[in-house]
Amino acid sequence: ETGVTQTPRHLVMGMTNKKSLKCEQHLGHNAMYWYKQSAKKPLELMFVYSLEERVENNSVPSRFSPECPNSSHLFLHLHTLQPEDSALYLCASSQDPDGNTEAFFGQGTRLTVV
Amino acid sequence: DAKTTQPNSMESNEEEPVHLPCNHSTISGTDYIHWYRQLPSQGPEYVIHGLTSNVNNRMASLAIAEDRKSSTLILHRATLRDAAVYYCILRGGYGGATNKLIFGTGTLLAVQP
Repeated sequence: ETGVTQTPRHLVMGMTNKKSLKCEQHLGHNAMYWYKQSAKKPLELMFVYSLEERVENNSVPSRFSPECPNSSHLFLHLHTLQPEDSALYLCASSQDPDGNTEAFFGQGTRLTVV
Repeated sequence: DAKTTQPNSMESNEEEPVHLPCNHSTISGTDYIHWYRQLPSQGPEYVIHGLTSNVNNRMASLAIAEDRKSSTLILHRATLRDAAVYYCILRGGYGGATNKLIFGTGTLLAVQP
């Protein structure tokens, strides 16, 4: 138990569906992150939020839309995804986006696009 | 982003110490050296981090070379539960683009009973 909770743990969606992934942390952290991990590939950083402001967007396609309504919650809204978007989506948080702080990861959402 | 180089895989025996090396010859003065590990079917887990001095915690020790161009993660007594992919990551100090936590391919550690 890391203090970072992701729901759902598994999700199967069609290419025309709209769904959302949720991440919640009650660690009092100010920075939150979305990562994507495809099969046999390193984790890819997608988005970084600091104090509810997006500070990093790593050239992620617009079919992925993040939202950070408050410092405890982070969402990833999904629409018109492709089969190659099937992956493990991981959320993380840290006290702030400072190199001297550790990040805590959730268990991830295993997404399958059919 | 400053890069790190790790062996693709290593093997260890249970209850023996493990030394996982990492080279980071282009490290800058404000980069912290972080180690994370990822067990199968789980998210990454923080292990340890340091700047210049060696660090110890309940999970592991981090030995940092004097010139900071390399470091070693030390697991004092490997257990079967330590089998995982271990990532060595450089993370810049406060602010700027270099404080992103960027993962490479890591070292796959196998622990034999």
